[in-house]
Amino acid sequence: GIQVEQSPPDLILQEGANSTLRCNFSDSVNNLQWFHQNPWGQLINLFYIPSGTKQNGRLSATTVATERYSLLYISSSQTTDSGVYFCAVASTYSGGGADGLTFGKGTHLIIQP
Amino acid sequence: NAGVTQTPKFRVLKTGQSMTLLCAQDMNHEYMYWYRQDPGMGLRLIHYSVGEGTTAKGEVPDGYNVSRLKKQNFLLGLESAAPSQTSVYFCASRKGLHYEQYFGPGTRLTVT
Repeated sequence: GIQVEQSPPDLILQEGANSTLRCNFSDSVNNLQWFHQNPWGQLINLFYIPSGTKQNGRLSATTVATERYSLLYISSSQTTDSGVYFCAVASTYSGGGADGLTFGKGTHLIIQP
Repeated sequence: NAGVTQTPKFRVLKTGQSMTLLCAQDMNHEYMYWYRQDPGMGLRLIHYSVGEGTTAKGEVPDGYNVSRLKKQNFLLGLESAAPSQTSVYFCASRKGLHYEQYFGPGTRLTVT
């Protein structure tokens, strides 16, 4: 099946710093999502971005499908940004894309005040 | 809209007991999914459904069964719980192939 690798695995930053999280995937995808799992375990949708660039406030994401990677940018970090960020994909060639998402292991982000 | 809801939020079972987790969505979504999340890991797919009356196996289906008798509900059953099934279970749904998935709040299950 498709492989998803996220880097870095852990990241500790001071409030106000910027960060870039990376997601590499091993096959063509027709679905790519970024999630934030907050300290209470809730999964929050950040972006649905199988290709292209999107921005939402301090967050933006870019997926270069032909090169099989996606980047999540967080600017002016706040303590509430702490948590685990997951990239999840669905392979174009697996179940027609119906069979769910394959998750990376996540980037654990800690924002210190 | 309540979105995706899960019942119960927490449960403790003894080895060999059975239980059913309920997922409900009020968005009229066709596709529904059950995942499990173990410590330090991403989510892994257990079973999924592409419409009312259909189910299919995911990556880690052993020890679980599912049913989708109504479009808005997706049930996950454990017939004989084992300690290896201690995990957090997430349900998700989406409108169709090229739409994003939305997740429920999760059910924390402990099997002793």
